[in-house]
Order: sequence, then C-alpha cells, then structure tokens
Amino acid sequence: AQKVTQAQTEISVVEKEDVTLDCVYETRDTTYYLFWYKQPPSGELVFLIRRNSFDEQNEISGRYSWNFQKSTSSFNFTITASQVVDSAVYFCALSEVSNGGGADGLTFGKGTHLIIQP
Amino acid sequence: EPEVTQTPSHQVTQMGQEVILRCVPISNHLYFYWYRQILGQKVEFLVSFYNNEISEKSEIFDDQFSVERPDGSNFTLKIRSTKLEDSAMYFCASRPAGYDTQYFGPGTRLTVL
Repeated sequence: AQKVTQAQTEISVVEKEDVTLDCVYETRDTTYYLFWYKQPPSGELVFLIRRNSFDEQNEISGRYSWNFQKSTSSFNFTITASQVVDSAVYFCALSEVSNGGGADGLTFGKGTHLIIQP
Repeated sequence: EPEVTQTPSHQVTQMGQEVILRCVPISNHLYFYWYRQILGQKVEFLVSFYNNEISEKSEIFDDQFSVERPDGSNFTLKIRSTKLEDSAMYFCASRPAGYDTQYFGPGTRLTVL
C-alpha cells in the first residue's frame, strides 16, 4: 500500500526566511509519480510540480526547489526568501502508474500548514 | 487557460437526501477523478473514471456513491443518501491521456445537516 508522510503539521517563519517542507513516501512499485500541490486559504488545489520515479534530477523554479532522493524515499520542497503569499497548506502526493501509462488515484499526505509572518 | 469547473460551489442538504455534484473537466482530458477533503484533513481519493467506466475506486467509494458522464462534457458524483459524515469539500480532477498531472477544480463544499 502507498503512504505519504508529511511530519511537519505546521511551520511558521518570518518573511524572507528559507523553509523546507518534508515529504517521505512508501510504495512497492518501481515506477511511480510524486507531486506537490498548494492549497491557499481560498481552498483550491494548485499543482506545483510532478516527478517520475526514474527522474531524480532536482528542479528549481524561481524561489521554489525540489529535492528528490529515492535512496531515502523523500521528495522535499524548499521555498527560498519566503513571502506572505506563500502562506498555504502544501500537500505532497504519490501515484502509481495506471494501465494507460499515466498517474492514477493520488495518495496525499496530511499536508503542512505554512505560515509566513510579515 | 482551460480549467476544471465545478457546480455548485456550496451545497447544503438534509441527511438522507440525494445530492449530485457536477464537474466539467478540461475538454481534451480523458481521465476523471473525484476526491474529498473533510475539513482540516487530507485529500482522499474516491474514484477514477476512464472510457465510461470506473477504473479504480477507494474503500470510501461504497454503494452510496456513483459516478456518471451523462454527456460529452459533464462528470457527476451522486451520493444517494447523505450522512453527516459526508460533509466535506469534494474535488473533481481531470488529466489527458498519457500525461501525468491531474488538474483540480475549485471544489464543492457539501454540508449535510
């Protein structure tokens, strides 16, 4: 069975600090997908990034970066120079490969509530 | 940019009543999903739907739930006899064939009284 653990329930930092959100996953599949979604106070789920299990290359997008390490089953998310608008709940999610070759039902972690104080 | 839409944004119903939540997936997408999020908790997978049939469902998706694609654009979730514990935000998502990312709608908040 798949499992995603986000051990940090809530993180509070002051604006401009760097912050890392941890995600540890469990799966018996050798091929899988990992995702991060952002849920701002308005409630929608906003896609941030997708990673295939065979692609361990780290990624940077502006102030966001992701560190994928299969050896430790972790997919951590770092926000550099945090801003108040980054305040949200962040979910890490895992999916197996469907018969059609794409990702199927997502297993979400419990989320990390990130509070950026001005 | 195309988006997944959901109606209504908020539905209030009495326990035991039937509700239908509606979703319009992105037009060229072929895989459709329903998830729910009880207030303050994680998002939970309910069901996936492809080629007019259910391809995967979770333990939550019991006999009181059903899904349908009644026409070329809508994707619906029906709850036959709502319970208090069905109160949650229900998210619809869709993705194209062969592509991995699911895009979510804004959600329907269901309140069962």
